Amino acid sequence: NAGVMQNPRHLVRRRGQEARLRCSPMKGHSHVYWYRQLPEEGLKFMVYLQKENIIDESGMPKERFSAEFPKEGPSILRIQQVVRGDSAAYFCASSQEQMPDTGELFFGEGSRLTVL
Amino acid sequence: GENVEQHPSTLSVQEGDSAVIKCTYSDSASNYFPWYKQELGKRPQLIIDIRSNVGEKKDQRIAVTLNKTAKHFSLHITETQPEDSAVYFCAAPRAGSQGNLIFGKGTKLSVKP
Repeated sequence: NAGVMQNPRHLVRRRGQEARLRCSPMKGHSHVYWYRQLPEEGLKFMVYLQKENIIDESGMPKERFSAEFPKEGPSILRIQQVVRGDSAAYFCASSQEQMPDTGELFFGEGSRLTVL
Repeated sequence: GENVEQHPSTLSVQEGDSAVIKCTYSDSASNYFPWYKQELGKRPQLIIDIRSNVGEKKDQRIAVTLNKTAKHFSLHITETQPEDSAVYFCAAPRAGSQGNLIFGKGTKLSVKP
């Protein structure tokens, strides 16, 4: 059973470009979460999705950031018109059931975005 | 909303000593408290968790204690080894959320051989 798969692992973008980060949850998991981690800092919640639904996007910046989890395919975190401050590691996690009722949060290896 | 405070931010111990990391939370309704370990450049991984119906849980050299009255929980690592060196994060459910965790800022543990 493959774990949470994220790609790309490393992404370099120039200011103003778009970044697309993809996440495939563990098999059988229908709950996906995106977290952002700045260097030397903790994990900041961004968004929680189930298939075709955004459940909680309270951690998402109001502009330039969007997320989706379509019926088919991976979850995608999209950052438009990137700025240097977007440089961070973006971690996707999945769970089988809604947290924290059961189970644990399984994290992917992260996508490290560098904005030049 | 939930606020999770973690300390210390860095901790250095000698191999074989014990390490203790503490977290406080603000939402008295929180009922689930996991601890994650993140090695450099790697993913966070769950090492132990505790639910609010117990006060202590142990797994080999790792234990977690929970004080609901004081709203704090602690990670205890005994007989530390160099491979325990990592960043450790505590977390608690965000109040009113449908299932996301709020993480502490992390503790960088260094175990010196």
